[in-house]
Amino acid sequence: NAGVMQNPRHLVRRRGQEARLRCSPMKGHSHVYWYRQLPEEGLKFMVYLQKENIIDESGMPKERFSAEFPKEGPSILRIQQVVRGDSAAYFCASSPNDRGPYEQYFGPGTRLTVT
Amino acid sequence: AQSVAQPEDQVNVAEGNPLTVKCTYSVSGNPYLFWYVQYPNRGLQFLLKYITGDNLVKGSYGFEAEFNKSQTSFHLKKPSALVSDSALYFCAVRDRAGKSTFGDGTTLTVKP
Repeated sequence: NAGVMQNPRHLVRRRGQEARLRCSPMKGHSHVYWYRQLPEEGLKFMVYLQKENIIDESGMPKERFSAEFPKEGPSILRIQQVVRGDSAAYFCASSPNDRGPYEQYFGPGTRLTVT
Repeated sequence: AQSVAQPEDQVNVAEGNPLTVKCTYSVSGNPYLFWYVQYPNRGLQFLLKYITGDNLVKGSYGFEAEFNKSQTSFHLKKPSALVSDSALYFCAVRDRAGKSTFGDGTTLTVKP
């Protein structure tokens, strides 16, 4: 049973370009969470999605950031017109259910570098 | 709003000594509490969780955590630290609606 998959593992973008980060949850998991980890900082919640629904996006910046989790395919975190401050590690996690005491399973992360 | 505090950015212990990584939380209702570990350039790995019942929870790699409702704490412990335990540790709380909040992390360094 493959774990949470994220790709690419490393992404370099110039300022102003778009970054697309992909996350495939564990098999059987229908809930996906995105987190951002800045260097020397903790993990900050960004968005929580179910298939075709955004449940909680309270941690998402108001502009340039969007996320989706379509019925088919991976979850996508999209950052438009990237700036240097977007450089961070972005982690995806999945769980089978939003209710109940389920731990989250994390992917290896995508390290975004904006030059 | 729920919150998690890890009051120590860094914990240093000698190999073989007991270790404690502290965590306090604030949440409405009865929480689910978790500890995760992160090794360099890796994602977080689940260590253990508290749901209900026994206040002492045992997890992976010899770690355990003690839930204290009156002090709203969930400290991570290990009787005898290993150098390989050196990593970044995150405490997390999850409310019954499914929202998770992570602490800022504590870097544990175990010296030989």
